[in-house]
Amino acid sequence: DQQVKQNSPSLSVQEGRISILNCDYTNSMFDYFLWYKKYPAEGPTFLISISSIKDKNEDGRFTVFLNKSAKHLSLHIVPSQPGDSAVYFCAASFRGKLIFGQGTELSVKP
Amino acid sequence: GAVVSQHPSWVICKSGTSVKIECRSLDFQATTMFWYRQFPKQSLMLMATSNEGSKATYEQGVEKDKFLINHASLTLSTLTVTSAHPEDSSFYICSARGQKAEQFFGPGTRLTVL
Repeated sequence: DQQVKQNSPSLSVQEGRISILNCDYTNSMFDYFLWYKKYPAEGPTFLISISSIKDKNEDGRFTVFLNKSAKHLSLHIVPSQPGDSAVYFCAASFRGKLIFGQGTELSVKP
Repeated sequence: GAVVSQHPSWVICKSGTSVKIECRSLDFQATTMFWYRQFPKQSLMLMATSNEGSKATYEQGVEKDKFLINHASLTLSTLTVTSAHPEDSSFYICSARGQKAEQFFGPGTRLTVL
């Protein structure tokens, strides 16, 4: 039973445009949501997080939106840069543990 | 800040041997560390939660006698894969929890069992 889902395995975006990565979840008890960026054979790098009591959090080029009624969150990257190309994982926190989605591979083309 | 290191970064061993992986939080004290496993093209799967000074809590399906976890200090947790077999070959990643829900990850250890 996949509690956190990223339904798009890959996304390709032109440099300078907006990248939108989506994530759906099923457990309404999750209290925190996080996005991580990962390169092959490396550990994930924390990007941005949002508490379940908020609907938006912004940090530079990264903005995370949370829609609790739809159990959906998204990560917006604008403007996208070639260096953003990586696998992005969303994660949800419950009792201190993180449950990860399957990841979306973002490719930003020059 | 929030730097987590892992050692070794890769290891190759013979079947039947034991391998120890260290995870250190370099610039903060982590009362809780986590161990994950990732297969190619798949998500990170939580194996166990490691609390300083107490026994680790293992996720369902993870053999605690095979994956021994020790968290002796606020900056060090170790994972020992005992009697390793080829099916244990994987990418093992540790993380340490910060003040909120954020977890900061180590660079991972690639284990190959021949």
